[in-house]
Amino acid sequence: GAGVSQSPSNKVTEKGKDVELRCDPISGHTALYWYRQSLGQGLEFLIYFQGNSAPDKSGLPSDRFSAERTGGSVSTLTIQRTQQEDSAVYLCASSGLAGVVFEQFFGPGTRLTVL
Amino acid sequence: AQSVAQPEDQVNVAEGNPLTVKCTYSVSGNPYLFWYVQYPNRGLQFLLKYITGDNLVKGSYGFEAEFNKSQTSFHLKKPSALVSDSALYFCAVRDNRDDKIIFGKGTRLHILP
Repeated sequence: GAGVSQSPSNKVTEKGKDVELRCDPISGHTALYWYRQSLGQGLEFLIYFQGNSAPDKSGLPSDRFSAERTGGSVSTLTIQRTQQEDSAVYLCASSGLAGVVFEQFFGPGTRLTVL
Repeated sequence: AQSVAQPEDQVNVAEGNPLTVKCTYSVSGNPYLFWYVQYPNRGLQFLLKYITGDNLVKGSYGFEAEFNKSQTSFHLKKPSALVSDSALYFCAVRDNRDDKIIFGKGTRLHILP
């Protein structure tokens, strides 16, 4: 079956513009995660959705970042008024049922470059 | 809150030698532990996980990891390294009281021919 997909694969934007990054998780997966991978910084947790529960937003670096998940499936990460330090690869992952410890399946990422 | 430490930014090993990539963790409850690998220009791939049971966990590509509760460690090991093992390796932890999964900063493994 299809894996996790993300779009766009690359995004170049100007400082101050808003961007939207999309994640399509594996069908049936209830958990969805967003991470940011910067050079030398590893994987930084951003936000986590589990079913219909309120998302865990504890990793969002500022109020310019927000995310939503519609219908328990597709998720969009929005960055408003982008800054150069937002440049990174944004990774999405999904995993299976709540209460069961499944490994995560990662998408290929969106490489964001803020000029 | 849970945390993960990978103390080595880079590990160099000669081909054919055993390799170890270190990981230590901190959680409030019981840990669920994972290792992932990222090959150049490719996405993260799951290697193995520890949930409960045997402390030695075997995974993909001949890798294994040993859970040590007293040392709060989950080091990744392989008896004989291959050049193709060269990649970026991430350790991750989840607290059994929470669904959030936190990753370490990653360790770049270089296998020298």
